[in-house]
Amino acid sequence: DQQVKQNSPSLSVQEGRISILNCDYTNSMFDYFLWYKKYPAEGPTFLISISSIKDKNEDGRFTVFLNKSAKHLSLHIVPSQPGDSAVYFCAASARGTGTASKLTFGTGTRLQVTL
Amino acid sequence: DTEVTQTPKHLVMGMTNKKSLKCEQHMGHRAMYWYKQKAKKPPELMFVYSYEKLSINESVPSRFSPECPNSSLLNLHLHALQPEDSALYLCASSLVWPGNTIYFGEGSWLTVV
Repeated sequence: DQQVKQNSPSLSVQEGRISILNCDYTNSMFDYFLWYKKYPAEGPTFLISISSIKDKNEDGRFTVFLNKSAKHLSLHIVPSQPGDSAVYFCAASARGTGTASKLTFGTGTRLQVTL
Repeated sequence: DTEVTQTPKHLVMGMTNKKSLKCEQHMGHRAMYWYKQKAKKPPELMFVYSYEKLSINESVPSRFSPECPNSSLLNLHLHALQPEDSALYLCASSLVWPGNTIYFGEGSWLTVV
């Protein structure tokens, strides 16, 4: 049962343009969402998070949007740079107890930023 | 400073060997984790320690034995592993568990031969 889904396994964007990575979730208990970036042979690096009480959080070139009614979040990267080429994982958790409190990851989207 | 350090970065071990992976953080975090990641897959949770006590064991085989000697250190003892256990093992920490941002180390690449 894949509770966090990233339906696009890969995305190619030209340098300077906007990259939009999407993520859907099914568990209505999730109230905290994160994006991680991963280069090959390295651990995931935390990028940005959002609590369910917000619908937008911005940090420099990265903005995360949350649509609770649609159970959908997206990560916008503007402008995209070649160094952004990596695998991006969406993750979700519930800030309570029980199995939903685990960080559940999506399957990842490989972003390629071309020159 | 969000740094989780793991040693060794690479480990090759035979199926009869005993080895350990080590992890350290000095951020004052009280929750520490072990994850396993296979190629092209998301990280999978193995263990969660909260305030030095094991809080979650995701039905991990007993050939993996975690240990949390103190709030800054986390070990994963390995014994009688199988080739299919070859993977990237990620240590992580967060301020508390559950419900906070988790910060990952660079990982330890394990190859079982």
